[in-house]
Parts: sequence; C-alpha cells; structure tokens
Amino acid sequence: AQRVTQPEKLLSVFKGAPVELKCNYSYSGSPELFWYVQYSRQRLQLLLRHISRESIKGFTADLNKGETSFHLKKPFAQEEDSAMYYCALSPALYNTDKLIFGTGTRLQVFP
Amino acid sequence: KAGVTQTPRYLIKTRGQQVTLSCSPISGHRSVSWYQQTPGQGLQFLFEYFSETQRNKGNFPGRFSGRQFSNSRSEMNVSTLELGDSALYLCASSLAFLRGTEAFFGQGTRLTVV
Repeated sequence: AQRVTQPEKLLSVFKGAPVELKCNYSYSGSPELFWYVQYSRQRLQLLLRHISRESIKGFTADLNKGETSFHLKKPFAQEEDSAMYYCALSPALYNTDKLIFGTGTRLQVFP
Repeated sequence: KAGVTQTPRYLIKTRGQQVTLSCSPISGHRSVSWYQQTPGQGLQFLFEYFSETQRNKGNFPGRFSGRQFSNSRSEMNVSTLELGDSALYLCASSLAFLRGTEAFFGQGTRLTVV
C-alpha cells in the first residue's frame, strides 16, 4: 500500500533549537517526495522536493531509501517556522499530479 | 499572477442536498486536482483532470464527481450530501500533467452539512 506516515501531530521547540519533522513512506517503486507547508491563514504551498536537493528557508530533507524516510530538518528554528507541515508522495510511474499526504505535523516555535 | 481561486469560500448545506464547488486554476495551468481535508483523515485525493478528462480518481463514492472545462476551470459536485461530507475542499493546479510538478493550492471551500 502507498502510505505516508508522520508520527508526530505536534512538535514544540524553542527558537534556536534544531528541528526534525519525521516522515516515513511506504511505496514499492522509486518515490517522488515533497514537503508542503501551511502557515496560519495561508494556502498550502510547496516547501521543497527531494529531486531538487535544495535548501529552502534553511530546511533540508534527505531521502533515505533504506529507511524509507524523508525527514525535514532545520538546525536553528525560527518563530516564523511555526506552521503545519505535510509530507507528500507522488505515487505513480505514469504522469499524474496525484499526491498522497501524511496527516501533518504542527510545528510550534516558542520565543 | 493570480493564484488558484476557489468559490465559494464557505457553504452550508442540508443533508440530502447537492453542491457544486468551483476552481479557477492559475493562468496557463492545465491540470487540476481536488482534495478533501478533514481533521480525522487529513488530505485525501479526490480526482484530477487534464485536458477536460478525468485522469485519476480517489477512493470516494460515486456521489463525488467533477469536470473540467476547455478553459481549464474545474467544478466538483457532491450529490445527496451526508454529514460526513463536511470538510475543507482544496483545489490545486499545476503547469503540466507530470509527476513531480509543483501543485499550487487554492484557499479552499469549507462545506458544512447540517
């Protein structure tokens, strides 16, 4: 079954602390993985995707095929990072825009 | 450029009624996807359209349907509404019908069924 699991509903840290949002996936093929973010009263938007291998707003995510994980990390959290984070998987080999989302993790960064 | 526009933003309907939600994609985007978001189930894929054709459908009953017009605008319809259909319905558009393409989301239509 194709599935994305985000085990933490809520993650609370203090400003300046490291952050790791966990994401595990279940997929038999070669996955395309994404992190989407939703700030308060804003739309869901793409944060980063594994194929780009980029760092956005200080966040990085490495695909670990052995552990089937795609954890999102940031060395020093900022208050403006507080948001809802969703890990998502594009499941198919053929062309599709379908995304399978995890249930999301709310990140709270305290001053 | 304007983002994905969903109308209406809020709807209250009675059980048994039907409802139509509208989505206008970003100009030039030809692919539109729909998702249902609930506190219990999270974001679940409903269906996607490209070139006026439904390309994929999620695990939802036949009461959920949609269509796409030649200008890429899309509508989704839910017939015989049930209380459990109360949710935020999100539409997303993308430039190409291609795996891995960035999806741009609308602000959603919040449907409440009473």
